Amino acid sequence: DAGVIQSPRHEVTEMGQEVTLRCKPISGHNSLFWYRQTMMRGLELLIYFNNNVPIDDSGMPEDRFSAKMPNASFSTLKIQPSEPRDSAVYFCASSLGQVTSNEQFFGPGTRLTVL
Amino acid sequence: TQLLEQSPQFLSIQEGENLTVYCNSSSVFSSLQWYRQEPGEGPVLLVTVVTGGEVKKLKRLTFQFGDARKDSSLHITAAQPGDTGLYLCAGLGFGNEKLTFGTGTRLTIIP
Repeated sequence: DAGVIQSPRHEVTEMGQEVTLRCKPISGHNSLFWYRQTMMRGLELLIYFNNNVPIDDSGMPEDRFSAKMPNASFSTLKIQPSEPRDSAVYFCASSLGQVTSNEQFFGPGTRLTVL
Repeated sequence: TQLLEQSPQFLSIQEGENLTVYCNSSSVFSSLQWYRQEPGEGPVLLVTVVTGGEVKKLKRLTFQFGDARKDSSLHITAAQPGDTGLYLCAGLGFGNEKLTFGTGTRLTIIP
């Protein structure tokens, strides 16, 4: 299995532009997670889906952030408009969707820089 | 908000030495996971502890879950340069898949 796939690996954009991050989870996994990692705040959960349905989006910073999962093999995280404080590494992870002792498999991340 | 504090934040030791990393919270978790993250990559799961007081060993790494399921420790014996990385603990809530990650311990093993 190829693991969790994220694209792009690096993104540099200017403030005010729209940014779309993409994720392909591991085939057969039922849950998908979006995280953000910064030096100041560490690794934070933004939103997670189970069977393509958003379960918890309490970590989404504000209305500029939105996430979709149109099918079991694809998800997007969109930031519109982007701001310099959104600069971070964004990780996507997937799991089998078992509530107890679940293992989350992380992708390589997308490093976002907003100028 | 559930918070997981790790200590120390940074640790740099010589190859062959022993070390312990701590993960503490005021909240109870259904289980506790430890991940290791290397530069440019996502975290990778090392172990999951579920029962209060549980001890798990993974070669030179020993993981313990506190009796009250609020804290955990990671002990490494005879550290090797390959142990270098960012170690993250993560607590799993009850009835959901939401992981709360700790603040992280950046470990450097000097050859």
